[in-house]
Amino acid sequence: ILNVEQSPQSLHVQEGDSTNFTCSFPSSNFYALHWYRWETAKSPEALFVMTLNGDEKKKGRISATLNTKEGYSYLYIKGSQPEDSATYLCAFQSKGTGFQKLVFGTGTRLLVSP
Amino acid sequence: EPEVTQTPSHQVTQMGQEVILRCVPISNHLYFYWYRQILGQKVEFLVSFYNNEISEKSEIFDDQFSVERPDGSNFTLKIRSTKLEDSAMYFCASSEGADYGYTFGSGTRLTVV
Repeated sequence: ILNVEQSPQSLHVQEGDSTNFTCSFPSSNFYALHWYRWETAKSPEALFVMTLNGDEKKKGRISATLNTKEGYSYLYIKGSQPEDSATYLCAFQSKGTGFQKLVFGTGTRLLVSP
Repeated sequence: EPEVTQTPSHQVTQMGQEVILRCVPISNHLYFYWYRQILGQKVEFLVSFYNNEISEKSEIFDDQFSVERPDGSNFTLKIRSTKLEDSAMYFCASSEGADYGYTFGSGTRLTVV
């Protein structure tokens, strides 16, 4: 059974703080690692799809890194804003059987206070 | 920006009844998916659909579940005889390819009573 873990479960920061979360996934049969942002009452929104070890992707104030050899990815938010408040999900995609399914972590719920 | 639309947003049904959840994926996407999230649990994969057939399904997706793309635009999930444990938020998603980010719909909350 594939296990994807995220930490912390929840985080409360002040506006302007920078923050980061961790996603741990199996280091074998790696194909891709997805990050999604999920605001309450909306649909999950794709942030990044990462495929290469050492890859770093950036979208505005949000960036992510990937280490496939040790099985982890970090998501960073620089200068958090209240509109960044959401649950951040990572999802693992494996090679071979199971290629077309994403295995999700439990998410990190971020609350940014003004 | 193109969206995946799902209807209805909420559905309450009696145990043993059939339900059909509807989705309109993004028109130029090739892969279609159903996921669900039982309250307090992880989002979990149900089924993927490509080239008009199921390409992968999970152990949850048993004979009570079926999917269909009846007219080239809609993508439906049918549960033949609902159980209490089928109560969940069901998400439809589509993607351009298997290694692209997914576009999710806003979900259908199914409550089985």
